[in-house]
Amino acid sequence: EVQLVESGGDLVQPGGSLRLSCAASGFTFSNSWMNWVRQTPGKGLEWVANIKEDGSKRNYVDSVKGRFTISRDNAKNSLFLHMDSLRVEDTAVYYCATPFGGSWHQWGQGTLVTVSS
Amino acid sequence: DIQMTQSPSAMSASIGDRVTITCRASQGINNDLVWFHQKPGKVPKRLIYSASSLQSGVPSRFSGSGSGTEFTLTISSLQPEDFATYYCLQRNSHPFTFGGGTKVEIK
Repeated sequence: EVQLVESGGDLVQPGGSLRLSCAASGFTFSNSWMNWVRQTPGKGLEWVANIKEDGSKRNYVDSVKGRFTISRDNAKNSLFLHMDSLRVEDTAVYYCATPFGGSWHQWGQGTLVTVSS
Repeated sequence: DIQMTQSPSAMSASIGDRVTITCRASQGINNDLVWFHQKPGKVPKRLIYSASSLQSGVPSRFSGSGSGTEFTLTISSLQPEDFATYYCLQRNSHPFTFGGGTKVEIK
């Protein structure tokens, strides 16, 4: 069974940093692009970033470029999102997700990041 | 960036109704379009990928069509469990972008 379990969400002050983790199991993690998606409470979905299977290519939404870094550890089947210079508008539930195309697809349960003073 | 315009933003429908939701891309995205729905407090669930491929386990009353810039999600006969918010996503080019969502409510 494919499982994605996020962790690391917390309450942090504006300007602070946080690292989110996503533990993957049930599939060959090292063969999959991986995504981070966020959802502001009560609002819509926003794709945040993704990373190629071997970590050699990373893409970001403009609003997080230069502040967020996506990374992965294929030996530990883990995906990360390091977030610096956090802003109030980064407050959201953050989900990790497998590639959106292809015959199967999975999201984690999400982890809540709250940026507030 | 590719903008995804989803319509309507909300709608009321009855059990058994045929429901159509549209997503329009600001530029051509081939068939790189995915549909999700999300119930309150739940994780989004993929319904359709590659514009018209039905996700395994999703009821056949859901169908997707379109290519290029115009895409449609159709529910042939709305069921009680289908009341949710529906989103499209383009995965043709980075940054990937979601539509604004369509909330389907009970009439």
